[in-house]
Amino acid sequence: GDSVTQMEGPVTLSEEAFLTINCTYTATGYPSLFWYVQYPGEGLQLLLKATKADDKGSNKGFEATYRKETTSFHLEKGSVQVSDSAVYFCALPNSGGSNYKLTFGKGTLLTVNP
Amino acid sequence: NAGVTQTPKFRILKIGQSMTLQCAQDMNHNYMYWYRQDPGMGLKLIYYSVGAGITDKGEVPNGYNVSRSTTEDFPLRLELAAPSQTSVYFCASSYEGIADEQYFGPGTRLTVT
Repeated sequence: GDSVTQMEGPVTLSEEAFLTINCTYTATGYPSLFWYVQYPGEGLQLLLKATKADDKGSNKGFEATYRKETTSFHLEKGSVQVSDSAVYFCALPNSGGSNYKLTFGKGTLLTVNP
Repeated sequence: NAGVTQTPKFRILKIGQSMTLQCAQDMNHNYMYWYRQDPGMGLKLIYYSVGAGITDKGEVPNGYNVSRSTTEDFPLRLELAAPSQTSVYFCASSYEGIADEQYFGPGTRLTVT
């Protein structure tokens, strides 16, 4: 079935460092791909999405490019801030047969120190 | 616009007790979802609904029940609570299906002892 493999954490960076969180997927067809973020004590919220191959999603300085050749959707940010400390989830929708769900990676905890 | 609201925020149950987790949204979304989040395991779908009166099982429905009598409300019922149901529960909604952005509530932290 469809699945998402996400870089294990935790990741600890200093402010202004470069961030990459790897995400690869296995899917039938070419689904949309998502990154969600969960700030401490809150629910998840959509960070960015891409709907087709070679699309780049971007928001709040974060970017991710939908790479069909490498089945990847890595999250990047050029200069992280303390306020970016959160858990990041890669996700893809499954809608085949009885599998009507959003499949999430296990999450990557990011801590940014001043 | 309150978005997705959940009550209670925290609850401790004894084994065998029952309770209902409340979820409401004011965005007129058709689709609603219940997830559980266990440490290091991402989120697992418990139940979902595509509209009032229509619900279906997700990945981990055992021990839970839902109903959807209105567009706004989607309560989750736990019968005969077990320690394995200790988790954080999130309700979410979306206007269209799973390829659409989901809006999450703040969560309910449930402990069964």
